[in-house]
Amino acid sequence: NAGVTQTPKFQVLKTGQSMTLQCAQDMNHNSMYWYRQDPGMGLRLIYYSASEGTTDKGEVPNGYNVSRLNKREFSLRLESAAPSQTSVYFCASSEIRGLGPQHFGDGTRLSIL
Amino acid sequence: AQSVTQPDIHITVSEGASLELRCNYSYGATPYLFWYVQSPGQGLQLLLKYFSGDTLVQGIKGFEAEFKRSQSSFNLRKPSVHWSDAAEYFCAVGATSGTYKYIFGTGTRLKVLA
Repeated sequence: NAGVTQTPKFQVLKTGQSMTLQCAQDMNHNSMYWYRQDPGMGLRLIYYSASEGTTDKGEVPNGYNVSRLNKREFSLRLESAAPSQTSVYFCASSEIRGLGPQHFGDGTRLSIL
Repeated sequence: AQSVTQPDIHITVSEGASLELRCNYSYGATPYLFWYVQSPGQGLQLLLKYFSGDTLVQGIKGFEAEFKRSQSSFNLRKPSVHWSDAAEYFCAVGATSGTYKYIFGTGTRLKVLA
């Protein structure tokens, strides 16, 4: 009963390094989301993909790119990491975009030095 | 654009007491409304959602929420809190058309006293 799987769970980067956060869901959901969670700020939407082949910007897309590789996988890339991107990143999915995020992964805790 | 406010950052209740967590939203029409719970080190779990119809919504773990259009509120309630309910709770609002961006509140952390 995997649901939404995120890798890695923890990562430390140096400023300027790049990395890709991976997310996969096994529920045949159409929509997928990337959020970041910072203390006192709730969750903020970075990008979402309403369906395979489409992606759209959320509230805080600057510094990030995404790829909806197939229906299962939705990756988030930091091209040149900055300390302001230190956060906990959550991937989520839903059957269709109108239902809101239904299932969340356990998060990736990213620190950028 | 929609927005959501959770006025209480922290709430402490005794085990067995009733609970109400507040959520106020701003949106031009009736939005989609959600409550999620997050335990430490975990992702969020959907407790319940409101799309339309009956304004009293039942969710998992014994939670319910009531949509009040006149007050722009969607408060979460539980009649009797258990120690395992200690967690952080998030309200979220979604537009019913257009971009389908779901905006989260800043959360309310619940502490339960034995």
